[in-house]
Amino acid sequence: EADIYQTPRYLVIGTGKKITLECSQTMGHDKMYWYQQDPGMELHLIHYSYGVNSTEKGDLSSESTVSRIRTEHFPLTLESARPSHTSQYLCASSDAPVGNTGELFFGEGSRLTVL
Amino acid sequence: AQKVTQAQTEISVVEKEDVTLDCVYETRDTTYYLFWYKQPPSGELVFLIRRNSFDEQNEISGRYSWNFQKSTSSFNFTITASQVVDSAVYFCAPKGGSYIPTFGRGTSLIVHP
Repeated sequence: EADIYQTPRYLVIGTGKKITLECSQTMGHDKMYWYQQDPGMELHLIHYSYGVNSTEKGDLSSESTVSRIRTEHFPLTLESARPSHTSQYLCASSDAPVGNTGELFFGEGSRLTVL
Repeated sequence: AQKVTQAQTEISVVEKEDVTLDCVYETRDTTYYLFWYKQPPSGELVFLIRRNSFDEQNEISGRYSWNFQKSTSSFNFTITASQVVDSAVYFCAPKGGSYIPTFGRGTSLIVHP
């Protein structure tokens, strides 16, 4: 069973608010990822990290930012939320010390609604 | 980067039927891995199976089996004797040298009792 946790599970906020979606994993994985998924749609990579102090933007342009100060923690922040940010955000981690064999372990997701 | 096509948007079957989910991928990597994930209504994606690009031996694991054809860049996934609990969205996801998997649009499987 995967040990990766996301909070909050559900969040409804007003436009302009600053929010942080938390993601923590207890598996010691180096690689962590944030995906954005709209209902019935594919997953789009918005951020990833190969380890502490490493962060990269993904394929989908996002106004969010991330940080990786500790191995186990990979929070995502929106400085000023807008209705276009309404979506589900999925955090994942992977442990692949050699090659690219490792599967991703996903959290339960954070469903954000911006009014 | 990889590209994935899951042409089947939604499949509806009756319990105990076999069902095959199609996946066609594109990649420039010579070595890569192919994954299938399941996303039940609860939302959390769960890893199902993995296959590497240099091993085309097809396998069976319980009710799951997969057919990897490198020549046609296909990695199809079959569920035998489907059950209602199999109802979910299934994602095919190749991963190459960048360590970043690319997810297809997913196939929604509905298994009716």
